[in-house]
Amino acid sequence: HVQLVESGGGVVQPGRSLRLSCAASGFTFSKFGMHWVRQAPGKGLEWVAVISFDGSHKFFADSVKGRFTVSRDNSKNTLDLQLNSLRVEDTAVYYCAKGRDDYLDSWGQGTLVTVSS
Amino acid sequence: ESVLTQSPATLSVSPGERATLSCRASQSVSSYLAWYQQRPGQAPRLLIYDASNRATGIPARFSGSGSGTDFTLTISSLEPEDFAVYYCQHRSIWPPGYTFGQGTKLEIK
Repeated sequence: HVQLVESGGGVVQPGRSLRLSCAASGFTFSKFGMHWVRQAPGKGLEWVAVISFDGSHKFFADSVKGRFTVSRDNSKNTLDLQLNSLRVEDTAVYYCAKGRDDYLDSWGQGTLVTVSS
Repeated sequence: ESVLTQSPATLSVSPGERATLSCRASQSVSSYLAWYQQRPGQAPRLLIYDASNRATGIPARFSGSGSGTDFTLTISSLEPEDFAVYYCQHRSIWPPGYTFGQGTKLEIK
């Protein structure tokens, strides 16, 4: 049974940084690409980033490129998202999701990031 | 990069009836399209992948069809738990990324 548990969300001022984590269990973490997807309050889904199974390839949405970084530790089954230079428009629930081919087949419950002064 | 447009934005249907949701891509995505369901307060879950394949544990009343630019998600007989928001999604090879449609809210009539 796949489990993905996000943590690290909170309230942060514009321009500051935050680090989100996702703890994975119930599958062989090191074999799958992993994603971050966000959802602003009352809005739709926006894909944020993906990291390949071994961490060698990373891709980002244009809206976060150069500000967010993604990493993983396959020895600890954890996925991280480092959010730098945060903006008000980055306010959202951030989900981690397990990749399967071209899709996202399991999702965590999300962690809320609020960027506000 | 293909833009995905879903219609209608809101669909009102009675329980037990059929619901048909549409997703149109701005350029061909072959059959590389997925559908997700998001119930209020919950995370999304994968329903359909490769346009017409049901994900593990998804009831048979959910079906997907289409290829190229026009896709349909059909729910044959609506159950109370099916009233939710539905998103389509495609992966772009170049530029690399993943795109979601804006969603269709399925509400009780």
